[in-house]
Amino acid sequence: EPEVTQTPSHQVTQMGQEVILRCVPISNHLYFYWYRQILGQKVEFLVSFYNNEISEKSEIFDDQFSVERPDGSNFTLKIRSTKLEDSAMYFCASSALAGPGNEQFFGPGTRLTVL
Amino acid sequence: DAKTTQPPSMDCAEGRAANLPCNHSTISGNEYVYWYRQIHSQGPQYIIHGLKNNETNEMASLIITEDRKSSTLILPHATLRDTAVYYCIVRVLYSGYALNFGKGTSLLVTP
Repeated sequence: EPEVTQTPSHQVTQMGQEVILRCVPISNHLYFYWYRQILGQKVEFLVSFYNNEISEKSEIFDDQFSVERPDGSNFTLKIRSTKLEDSAMYFCASSALAGPGNEQFFGPGTRLTVL
Repeated sequence: DAKTTQPPSMDCAEGRAANLPCNHSTISGNEYVYWYRQIHSQGPQYIIHGLKNNETNEMASLIITEDRKSSTLILPHATLRDTAVYYCIVRVLYSGYALNFGKGTSLLVTP
């Protein structure tokens, strides 16, 4: 069964450093998403991406964040200058279409720890 | 999107049916009810969705009341692996692509 994969599984970085989280969505999917979950809190939407541009983004997704689909298979989330509060699980998801019935498939997540 | 209310936690004995309720009294006519679950900090997993008719798939059944103000997710024969946080999400048709997760219901299946 096709699945979303994410690398690395755990990333440790120093405050102020840039990090890039990588995702390989399911191959025939067209919509890509990033969510995050701070420990003990709910899953929060960050951004959705379609046709090489951002479709929707939340208030969390400020100028420190960017997304990119650098090639036909990868989807990345970059955090330019990490803060302590960026420590969280980051989940990538993809879906074939955007409408109802086209569920989002989530990857296993990357645990980001900012020291 | 309509707000949902779920009990924070529930228990269920293994092999019994788990019935997880969700209130969405402000749901509008074009909003769908989705259920996802998250097993121990793994990525959320889609379970089922519906508009107004009852739905069933290999994982669960979804019962939506006639007035659509509430729904129940049914896991017919719960196993220990069904221990997870279950999220009821209501989405407006084509309003965007975000899934707005609440706090969900933490289901504990016991032996």
